[in-house]
Amino acid sequence: QAVVTQEPSLTVSPGGTVTLTCGSSTGAVTSGHYPYWIQQKPGQAPRTLIYETSNKSFWTPARFSGSLLGGKAALTLSGAQPEDEAEYYCLLTYTAARVFGGGTQLTVL
Amino acid sequence: EVQLVESGGGLAKPGGSLRLSCAASGLTFSDAWMTWVRQAPGKGLEWVGRVRSKAAGGTTDYAAPVKGRFTIFRDDSKNTLYLQMNSLQIEDTAVYYCTQPQLDYWGQGTLVTVSS
Repeated sequence: QAVVTQEPSLTVSPGGTVTLTCGSSTGAVTSGHYPYWIQQKPGQAPRTLIYETSNKSFWTPARFSGSLLGGKAALTLSGAQPEDEAEYYCLLTYTAARVFGGGTQLTVL
Repeated sequence: EVQLVESGGGLAKPGGSLRLSCAASGLTFSDAWMTWVRQAPGKGLEWVGRVRSKAAGGTTDYAAPVKGRFTIFRDDSKNTLYLQMNSLQIEDTAVYYCTQPQLDYWGQGTLVTVSS
């Protein structure tokens, strides 16, 4: 089973910009991995932030964007808000399965 | 409003079985490819498996740790998704979520505890 890697933790200042990345043990992440970004806050169910690289869910704030960057999937947050503090998971699709990354704990401080 | 409501969680012994259900409403369930995701206590999300719609063949995919032990199936007449879990192991202890992630449909989860 492939391994999906994410930064364990990142910190961003309020109003600042941060990029979370998602790599694959099998090589470069492409649009064919249909990258998802899932947000989860403590005690809550997950929510889909971004699907298929860059498509936003209806509720996704405009300050979030998804892309491919340097062989990885990327989630960029521009203009961080305190409510963006959460765990962010990347999900990649492989031939017969999907695999989550270990998650990035994002702190807004 | 779309709702996914999981049920069937509880305590099971190692080697035992449990069947989880996910009752769906507010969506065209028969068209939806449905997924199970789990989260062990204090850990990250883990993809368990998915079932395609009948129109797409109704086939299933599973994560390596559960393949051969877990079975996902659906009853479109009841708008219900199932996860049959056999040969349970302590490592299967987790909150299990039913989801259609592309449409951002997630249940609130049901807790499965495997312990002797």
